[in-house]
Amino acid sequence: EAGVAQSPRYKIIEKRQSVAFWCNPISGHATLYWYQQILGQGPKLLIQFQNNGVVDDSQLPKDRFSAERLKGVDSTLKIQPAKLEDSAVYLCASNPTSGRPQETQYFGPGTRLLVL
Amino acid sequence: AQSVAQPEDQVNVAEGNPLTVKCTYSVSGNPYLFWYVQYPNRGLQFLLKYITGDNLVKGSYGFEAEFNKSQTSFHLKKPSALVSDSALYFCAVRERDYKLSFGAGTTVTVRA
Repeated sequence: EAGVAQSPRYKIIEKRQSVAFWCNPISGHATLYWYQQILGQGPKLLIQFQNNGVVDDSQLPKDRFSAERLKGVDSTLKIQPAKLEDSAVYLCASNPTSGRPQETQYFGPGTRLLVL
Repeated sequence: AQSVAQPEDQVNVAEGNPLTVKCTYSVSGNPYLFWYVQYPNRGLQFLLKYITGDNLVKGSYGFEAEFNKSQTSFHLKKPSALVSDSALYFCAVRERDYKLSFGAGTTVTVRA
């Protein structure tokens, strides 16, 4: 079974530029998550999708971050404009059904973003 | 509110010795507890989880964890550590409909 795919793996941009990340979850997984992992910290949830609907985006900085999952499969996360403090690893995760709390989340390899 | 703490930033052990990575949690109800491992430039890999039932949970790569409700702990253990176990380990907790909350991580170094 293929895992969660993410691209690009690395991205370097200058502040105020825009950037987009792509995630393809495990086939058939209904719930998709985007996390931000700052160096030295644990991952922090940015947004959770159930199929193509948003379940939780309470920690997404909506003035600069946006995410979509139009067809309920793959997803994109965008930052516009980027700030220095956005430098982090952006992780995508998925799980099979409704995102119940006891379900395991499976993570992709992440996209490492450096904002200069 | 839920939270999880990993009191040790680093754990150093010799190969062949027992490995313990500590985790304590705080929730108002029943917790769902997870351990993940992260190798350099890789995503998080699931090791094991506690949902209910037996307090001793066995997972991947010879790891196990013991759920202790009275001490609100979920320590990760391995009887005999390998050099290849050197990585960053995260404990996480989730309660009801809350989001998955991660600890800050513990760096494990196993020396040959």
